[in-house]
Amino acid sequence: GAGVSQSPRYKVAKRGQDVALRCDPISGHVSLFWYQQALGQGPEFLTYFQNEAQLDKSGLPSDRFFAERPEGSVSTLKIQRTQQEDSAVYLCASSRTRVPPLHFGNGTRLTVT
Amino acid sequence: QKEVEQNSGPLSVPEGAIASLNCTYSDRGSQSFFWYRQYSGKSPELIMSIYSNGDKEDGRFTAQLNKASQYVSLLIRDSQPSDSATYLCAGTGSQGNLIFGKGTKLSVKP
Repeated sequence: GAGVSQSPRYKVAKRGQDVALRCDPISGHVSLFWYQQALGQGPEFLTYFQNEAQLDKSGLPSDRFFAERPEGSVSTLKIQRTQQEDSAVYLCASSRTRVPPLHFGNGTRLTVT
Repeated sequence: QKEVEQNSGPLSVPEGAIASLNCTYSDRGSQSFFWYRQYSGKSPELIMSIYSNGDKEDGRFTAQLNKASQYVSLLIRDSQPSDSATYLCAGTGSQGNLIFGKGTKLSVKP
């Protein structure tokens, strides 16, 4: 497809479970970003990659959050031992160059029960 | 803490009026600014980018940037009900990431 693809679209996890969210960026896009968006809030930066290098992970809220992009294309955001406060929409975005603008995927809505 | 601030609204304007959305930012090193539109339940969609001081027009949309005042705005002329959405202002951070404001909810009344 031509756009950023995220899967799954919806994920329900019991508190304490691990989850993995996948992002397939636009082909050839160098930069890939992860954001967390709570209801009624703007997207909060989590981390970003240029190719396979994770250049900034300052937004990851705790060491339960981990992201990787081993081959510089598909990225996975993993959340270990999920908590209720992790419930949010997780947005992935990519950019053709090293800088924005960003093109967003449809997001993964995570609900932790 | 580098921040992008927006009035959360809601901002309500009648159809056909000009909607004015404002944003301030704290990082003087920010170089590029973007306006995204987000419909309820959807992902953000880029509508304008601006990189230098002054105005940039694209159809009914005009973005304005004043780096001295650290101020960005978006004007929507001839507002339509389909413009009703949340508008997100974003600026680049020093690490190359993109920092968003909380968004302003716009409602255009027929």
